[in-house]
Amino acid sequence: GAVVSQHPSWVICKSGTSVKIECRSLDFQATTMFWYRQFPKQSLMLMATSNEGSKATYEQGVEKDKFLINHASLTLSTLTVTSAHPEDSSFYICSASILGRETQYFGPGTRLLVL
Amino acid sequence: TQLLEQSPQFLSIQEGENLTVYCNSSSVFSSLQWYRQEPGEGPVLLVTVVTGGEVKKLKRLTFQFGDARKDSSLHITAAQPGDTGLYLCAGEENSGGSNYKLTFGKGTLLTVNP
Repeated sequence: GAVVSQHPSWVICKSGTSVKIECRSLDFQATTMFWYRQFPKQSLMLMATSNEGSKATYEQGVEKDKFLINHASLTLSTLTVTSAHPEDSSFYICSASILGRETQYFGPGTRLLVL
Repeated sequence: TQLLEQSPQFLSIQEGENLTVYCNSSSVFSSLQWYRQEPGEGPVLLVTVVTGGEVKKLKRLTFQFGDARKDSSLHITAAQPGDTGLYLCAGEENSGGSNYKLTFGKGTLLTVNP
């Protein structure tokens, strides 16, 4: 149990376009979802925390207008990278938890390459 | 945001050797978690330690949580090529209200050569 999926698993886009990444909890209801970014050979950096039905809380230095997060249901959160640029190329990972404090279950990640 | 220092950053050893990875913080976390991540995949939880002084074993992996709950170590005995991966420690802290978040260390990239 506690499986989290992400779609797509990888995406290549042109600079200036927007990309949407989906994060789904497949067999449980996630009250809280987290979005992380990971650059090559580096650790995970938390970008934002989203609770179902409310606005996401962004970490310092993360532009909320550039990284749009929607958590409209208990099983789906989306991250939209707007006007993507090459420096946004990274590995984006989501995780989901129940009641906000339980173990975070991580998705398999989405590799984004902006040309 | 609290910080976690992880060492070493890179470790390359031969099959059969033992190794220890350290995770240190100047602050106390509610709990500390260890993950293993393979290239192109999400991290997979290995263990969660909560109590100061706690020791947990997972086959050839031994996890310790310091008495003050600020540091932790991961010891691998007789490492195997299948242990190769990025090992991450993460501290759980309250981010406001009933929300908690994880702060990750920089990770230790382990390579076990056959």
